[in-house]
Amino acid sequence: ILNVEQSPQSLHVQEGDSTNFTCSFPSSNFYALHWYRWETAKSPEALFVMTLNGDEKKKGRISATLNTKEGYSYLYIKGSQPEDSATYLCAFQTGANNLFFGTGTRLTVIP
Amino acid sequence: NAGVTQTPKFRILKIGQSMTLQCTQDMNHNYMYWYRQDPGMGLKLIYYSVGAGITDKGEVPNGYNVSRSTTEDFPLRLELAAPSQTSVYFCASTDRGTDTQYFGPGTRLTVL
Repeated sequence: ILNVEQSPQSLHVQEGDSTNFTCSFPSSNFYALHWYRWETAKSPEALFVMTLNGDEKKKGRISATLNTKEGYSYLYIKGSQPEDSATYLCAFQTGANNLFFGTGTRLTVIP
Repeated sequence: NAGVTQTPKFRILKIGQSMTLQCTQDMNHNYMYWYRQDPGMGLKLIYYSVGAGITDKGEVPNGYNVSRSTTEDFPLRLELAAPSQTSVYFCASTDRGTDTQYFGPGTRLTVL
């Protein structure tokens, strides 16, 4: 069982603020790091799959970076909007079938 | 595309009852997974399959069984339901080309 830590656990920001959260994972046996967006009463939706140290991915106002040597990934949201309110999950993948999920960061964007 | 579908959406079971949670994907993915999600916990892998006829245990397999007779379907069976199996269950499949996992809408199960 591997430990995947996400911080903070929850976050409230004002509309228009930029924010970021962290996913920490073991620095060994790395295969991939996944980020998901999970809205209440829906299923997790894949945002990014990152495989290389130094990877940076971007989708609209959301971006992510990856440092496999030190075992962390950051997710950034620029100019938060109320529709960004969701739980953001990361998952550390060690092989083709082994994904270990964090408990998520719950983001609330206040209009 | 329907993606990953799960039935039922909700179910209440009595202790000792059995049931099968259905999962179907129409994306021709070989890899499929069952997770459970408990309050305050991350998703935990129950079982996974890398193709028809091939299944293997994940992190929390006790009390569950699976089968994979076709690429599309990956049912999860609870034989003797226990209160500890009260959870939300998610099925997922993976596009091995991109390693992206696609999740179903979940089944909320309560065992009383």
